[in-house]
Amino acid sequence: DTEVTQTPKHLVMGMTNKKSLKCEQHMGHRAMYWYKQKAKKPPELMFVYSYEKLSINESVPSRFSPECPNSSLLNLHLHALQPEDSALYLCASSQIAGGPGEQFFGPGTRLTVL
Amino acid sequence: QKEVEQNSGPLSVPEGAIASLNCTYSDRVSQSFFWYRQYSGKSPELIMSIYSNGDKEDGRFTAQLNKASQYVSLLIRDSQPSDSATYLCAAKPPGANNLFFGTGTRLTVIP
Repeated sequence: DTEVTQTPKHLVMGMTNKKSLKCEQHMGHRAMYWYKQKAKKPPELMFVYSYEKLSINESVPSRFSPECPNSSLLNLHLHALQPEDSALYLCASSQIAGGPGEQFFGPGTRLTVL
Repeated sequence: QKEVEQNSGPLSVPEGAIASLNCTYSDRVSQSFFWYRQYSGKSPELIMSIYSNGDKEDGRFTAQLNKASQYVSLLIRDSQPSDSATYLCAAKPPGANNLFFGTGTRLTVIP
């Protein structure tokens, strides 16, 4: 089953809100990723978790806080976001980080910051 | 600088024709290459992966890799209106954690 799930599908939040995005995979993958995608642009890597440990943070502002509770789950905690953070947030997974294999994306969360 | 370049299009082909999408990459050591299809408002869907020089066929899709020329292509035979989407090319150097994406080519198949 090559499926990554994400909730919620859509999220509207104010700049003072705190919210969380959730991602789950049951493929036994040990690497999970958060990407951000703006309209008409390719996905931009934000974070990489390898064996439940944060291995890459691509200079993402601290208002984005990732968490990997276990090998199947990945969260992205959001706090004090800006309107320019509005985008499609994508979770992905692969067998291992740094390997040659494929990354599979979830359906994404469409985030709007007012 | 690891760059992946694609013609942004738009590329328009009539239904039933062959659509040819091209991609070049700058990092000579990249070994893994992927094509993703992304419908408007949706997430990228992996449609092909290729690791060796030559052709790889899967149904109506054929990926071609030429490492000497640092060139990857995707051919879609018997194009259908449902193939209308943006196609993202991605490269992955050995040991890298992330994919390096091109900017995508917008394909429109005209009925």
